This record gives sequence, structure tokens and C-alpha cells, in this order.
Amino acid sequence: QSVLTQPPSVSEAPRQRVTISCSGSSSNIGNSAVNWYQQLPGRAPKLLIYYDDLLPSGVSDRFSGSKSGTSASLAISGLQSEDEADYYCAAWDVRLNAVVFGGGTKLTVL
Amino acid sequence: EVQLVESGGGLVQRGGSLRLSCATSGFTFSSYWMSWVRQAPGKGLEWVANIKQDGGEKSYVDSVKGRFTISRDNAKNSLYLQMNSLRAEDAAVYFCARDLGGSSAFDCWGQGTLVTVSS
Repeated sequence: QSVLTQPPSVSEAPRQRVTISCSGSSSNIGNSAVNWYQQLPGRAPKLLIYYDDLLPSGVSDRFSGSKSGTSASLAISGLQSEDEADYYCAAWDVRLNAVVFGGGTKLTVL
Repeated sequence: EVQLVESGGGLVQRGGSLRLSCATSGFTFSSYWMSWVRQAPGKGLEWVANIKQDGGEKSYVDSVKGRFTISRDNAKNSLYLQMNSLRAEDAAVYFCARDLGGSSAFDCWGQGTLVTVSS
């Protein structure tokens, strides 16, 4: 059972927009920055969004992040087949004094 | 080019020990927090431990406290994870990652090293 809650899977058609939610609590998302990762099969994770809504250099602006209270979201617009991957949210938990990850969401582009 | 290369993984018996290393290059290692993150086969990501730039602060996930020790050698640009009393549930790919600010923003990752624990 992950501290941060994500839907196990989402799916959408190419060129559409999809959002992935990440729900936490006042000790993590409500108190710390949220970061998002993309993991392609067999590969190391890649930082997609950091500090809630910032885009690392080289990451497509089709990806965006937002946060409100104890929940965060990752949005992907203009879906492409290469976006099929697992997506994870993460935050520092001040009560656990540890980084906590969501369980991951598998994105399928139909 | 920033590079992180893990090594030291392998097959170990339950209760045994292993030391993982992460050799880095292409950035000022001593300026960054560093973390270890693991992923069991077919499972999600789990943060294991982190260490401050000077090694003066360390944090661990509860499940490894007292068994794992994170350390670093800034002169060698290297990060380490000493793993003792290994359990079946410690079997995973272990990634080292550069941390932007001692939180959970890991902007560079190694390719991972596989740890297998046998009974």
C-alpha cells in the first residue's frame, strides 16, 4: 500500500489529453513539492515534472503538473504512442522523514 | 555529460551482505544530495535512503533502518550502499539518483544494478 495514491492504469486515444492523479496527505503533498517520473519499459525513471509544476530542460511541454491541497495531477496533451509508460508521483513526507512514491500509473495509448 | 554508474549487485544468500557503488561523472558530486531508489521485479519505485552533500545528514526508509548504510566519498565522486542482513524483500534493481534539493526531485539516474536474494 503506497503512501501516495495513483490510479493503476489510464488509457486514452492518440492526440487526446489525459490526466493522472496523485492523492496524499498534509504530511507529504500538503507540505512538500511533488515530482513526477516517467519510466519506459526496462529503463531507468526520468524526471518529468519537479517542484509541482516545473519542466526540466528537454522535456516536452505537452507535459504539465499542478497541485492543490493534498492532491497533485500530471497532464499529458497531444498523446503519442511513445508516451506509453509507467508514471510515478513522489514527495517528501515530513512525518515519515522519507521520500514516498505513488504506486505508479500505467498509461496506454489506444 | 552527467553519468551515474551502479555496480556491486549480484546474488546473495538471505542474511548476507552486499555493497553497492555508484560512480559519478560530469557534475560537481559534492554539491548534490544523493539517493538510492529500488524497484522490485514488476513492482513500483521505492526510495531507500539519501545523504546530504557533506554526508552529515542521512535518512532511510523504515524497512532498511539498522541494516543498510548510505555513504559517500566526495574525493572519489562516489556513492555507496552497504546492505547487511539481506531479506527476500530486498531483492530489486537498485538505482542511484542525483537529488536536486534533498527532497524527491531526482533529475539524473543510473541504469541500476540488480540484487537477488536467495533462500
